[in-house]
Amino acid sequence: DVKVTQSSRYLVKRTGEKVFLECVQDMDHENMFWYRQDPGLGLRLIYFSYDVKMKEKGDIPEGYSVSREKKERFSLILESASTNQTSMYLCASSSEVFYGYTFGSGTRLTVV
Amino acid sequence: QQPVQSPQAVILREGEDAVINCSSSKALYSVHWYRQKHGEAPVFLMILLKGGEQKGHDKISASFNEKKQQSSLYLTASQLSYSGTYFCGTLRTSGTYKYIFGTGTRLKVLA
Repeated sequence: DVKVTQSSRYLVKRTGEKVFLECVQDMDHENMFWYRQDPGLGLRLIYFSYDVKMKEKGDIPEGYSVSREKKERFSLILESASTNQTSMYLCASSSEVFYGYTFGSGTRLTVV
Repeated sequence: QQPVQSPQAVILREGEDAVINCSSSKALYSVHWYRQKHGEAPVFLMILLKGGEQKGHDKISASFNEKKQQSSLYLTASQLSYSGTYFCGTLRTSGTYKYIFGTGTRLKVLA
């Protein structure tokens, strides 16, 4: 069964901490994405990557960075966590956008 | 820019029907529908490509209007397992292909 795995379901971090969210897919997909999901705002794209070591900013990249050193792994980094980054973070992958996305189960991050 | 879904939320009794709409201000290349149950990953339901297309499986179906600016998801004789958040994913052809999710619709089915 193909899947996208996010390393943590729940995380609680302090303001100012550096936070790493990990995502691994086993489908050999070229494209990987990080979204945040907030009530009333839907899914908003933070960053995406269409190849190893390649990255593109999405709609809300401020305060975030990403790393893709291997095809199967895409990491989201919060350089200095703030309370307004409390959210559900979803990782997704696709071979072609045409075919839709496969999502991970999400990481609910709380910054206190 | 973000496709608008309506209604924002809906509560049904088991066996009732529901329609969820996804509307774009511009023509779309394709529409995908997803369902996300509470605490779980969104799951891909189906894709629509052609204007006027209708497709579905079991008691969940969808349509794409002729102008390719609106899609509707039809849930017939709803079951408790249909509860969750539904959202559309849309692919626009404005210069470069851009994939944008709709605003989401929360659906709850009561026994």
